[in-house]
Amino acid sequence: AQSVTQLDSHVSVSEGTPVLLRCNYSSSYSPSLFWYVQHPNKGLQLLLKYTSAATLVKGINGFEAEFKKSETSFHLTKPSAHMSDAAEYFCVVSVGGGYNKLIFGAGTRLAVHP
Amino acid sequence: EADIYQTPRYLVIGTGKKITLECSQTMGHDKMYWYQQDPGMELHLIHYSYGVNSTEKGDLSSESTVSRIRTEHFPLTLESARPSHTSQYLCASRQTGTATSGTEAFFGQGTRLTVV
Repeated sequence: AQSVTQLDSHVSVSEGTPVLLRCNYSSSYSPSLFWYVQHPNKGLQLLLKYTSAATLVKGINGFEAEFKKSETSFHLTKPSAHMSDAAEYFCVVSVGGGYNKLIFGAGTRLAVHP
Repeated sequence: EADIYQTPRYLVIGTGKKITLECSQTMGHDKMYWYQQDPGMELHLIHYSYGVNSTEKGDLSSESTVSRIRTEHFPLTLESARPSHTSQYLCASRQTGTATSGTEAFFGQGTRLTVV
């Protein structure tokens, strides 16, 4: 069975310090993986995606993620947090024939303190 | 900027009323989805469609219904709203991926429904 586990429900960092949001997946197939961000009362915005090309993926707003097949992980990082990064982050895996199904993690709420 | 639109953004309605949440996309995507999300919680898939005249129920049981008569339009209807339907509803669309990779989904801004 396919699944996505976001290891932290809440992460709190100080502005200017690194961000690490952890995601592990389980998939019988080669997955496509995504990170989305959701600001309050907004829809979801794509941060970055992995689709079997380079394992280190760069996204918008300085975020990047590394696909590690041996660890079944796809952790999201950013070298220096900004106040505007405070939001909910979702790790998503796309699996199945035609990659039809999207499976969402439970989300990680990132708080950024001055 | 993604071209997927949901209306209304906010809706407060009385118990027993019939409501339709609209979702339209102009990207020609074949797949469309409806998710339900309570504040600060994860997304739950309630309906999806792989193309015109194709609709399926998602992982979370819902009393709502959907239709897909046109590629660009995927409305969600509640025949008789109840307070338990109070939630945020997110619509998404995506194009079919290749044999080796999936595509990203594009999300609307959501409809926040309150049933009183």
